[in-house]
Amino acid sequence: AQRVTQPEKLLSVFKGAPVELKCNYSYSGSPELFWYVQYSRQRLQLLLRHISRESIKGFTADLNKGETSFHLKKPFAQEEDSAMYYCALSLINQGGKLIFGQGTELSVKP
Amino acid sequence: DAGVTQSPTHLIKTRGQQVTLRCSPISGHKSVSWYQQVLGQGPQFIFQYYEKEERGRGNFPDRFSARQFPNYSSELNVNALLLGDSALYLCASSLGLVAGGGPVSYNEQFFGPGTRLTVL
Repeated sequence: AQRVTQPEKLLSVFKGAPVELKCNYSYSGSPELFWYVQYSRQRLQLLLRHISRESIKGFTADLNKGETSFHLKKPFAQEEDSAMYYCALSLINQGGKLIFGQGTELSVKP
Repeated sequence: DAGVTQSPTHLIKTRGQQVTLRCSPISGHKSVSWYQQVLGQGPQFIFQYYEKEERGRGNFPDRFSARQFPNYSSELNVNALLLGDSALYLCASSLGLVAGGGPVSYNEQFFGPGTRLTVL
């Protein structure tokens, strides 16, 4: 069965510290993975997609098929990074249906 | 473009009642998906519609139904409401489907602000 696991419900770091939000997936096909972010009082928005291998707001994520992981990283956290982060798996053979993890709340303290 | 819009913003119903939630996709988007987000959890897929046809259904009871109109807007209906139906209901739109068996293409989903449903 397809599944996305985010083991940490809350991650609290100080400003300037490195951040790593963990995401593991279970999928027998070729995965297409995303990170979505939800800032306070805002809608869910796409942060990163593994296909484009881009860096957004200093965040990067590398797909590791051997470890079935797609961890989100940032070398120096900023207070404005505080938000809910969701890892999501897109099921290509089901029209792009998204399977979300439970989310990790990132809190960056001054 | 205002992005994906949903109405109403908030809704309070009592057990056993019926509710209709509405979604307008981004102009040019032909696919609409619905997700349920219970407090403290990630969104869970309910339905996907493309060109007015249901193309995917999540693990939800038959009390949940949806439809898509010729202008690609969509409604989600929930009958015989239960307390456990209290959640944020999200609508997402995308350009279109990825054809099964065909070449893989990226299909980004854009989310609306959600409708907060409270069942008392």
